[in-house]
Amino acid sequence: AQKVTQAQTEISVVEKEDVTLDCVYETRDTTYYLFWYKQPPSGELVFLIRRNSFDEQNEISGRYSWNFQKSTSSFNFTITASQVVDSAVYFCALSGNTPLVFGKGTRLSVIA
Amino acid sequence: EAGVVQSPRYKIIEKKQPVAFWCNPISGHNTLYWYLQNLGQGPELLIRYENEEAVDDSQLPKDRFSAERLKGVDSTLKIQPAELGDSAVYLCASSLGGSVSVPGELFFGEGSRLTVL
Repeated sequence: AQKVTQAQTEISVVEKEDVTLDCVYETRDTTYYLFWYKQPPSGELVFLIRRNSFDEQNEISGRYSWNFQKSTSSFNFTITASQVVDSAVYFCALSGNTPLVFGKGTRLSVIA
Repeated sequence: EAGVVQSPRYKIIEKKQPVAFWCNPISGHNTLYWYLQNLGQGPELLIRYENEEAVDDSQLPKDRFSAERLKGVDSTLKIQPAELGDSAVYLCASSLGGSVSVPGELFFGEGSRLTVL
């Protein structure tokens, strides 16, 4: 069975601090995809990134970076120099041979 | 380009009443999803359509929930009768192509928040 665990329920940081959101997953599939979505207060989930299980290269996109470590089944997300607009709920998700399974999310509050 | 459009955004009903949610996916997206999101939880898939065909409805409580996607475009999710535990946000998403094994990027609507009193 697929499972995604986001152990951090809520995180608060002061603006300009770096913050890392943890994601640990479980799957028996050899081929799978990992995602991060952002859910701002308006409600819609916004796609941030998709990685497949064969690509362990870390990725950086502006202030966002992702660290995929297959050995620890983790796909962590770091926001550098956080801003108030980063405040949202962030979801990690996994898709193998089943439809997308989401974690419970981490609520990030960035305080000015 | 317009995103995924859902209506209504908010709905308050009494238990045992029926309710329906409508979703208009992004033009050209053949795959449409309905997700249920309870407070403090991640979205959970209810049903997935490939064009007009429901290819995965294993999580849809078929005794009270029904869905349809006429002509492979718009979709409607209905609950009849609603129960207190149905209070949640119902999210619609669409994607261009993709499959379970190679999922495409999902684009989500803002959701329909249901409150059952």
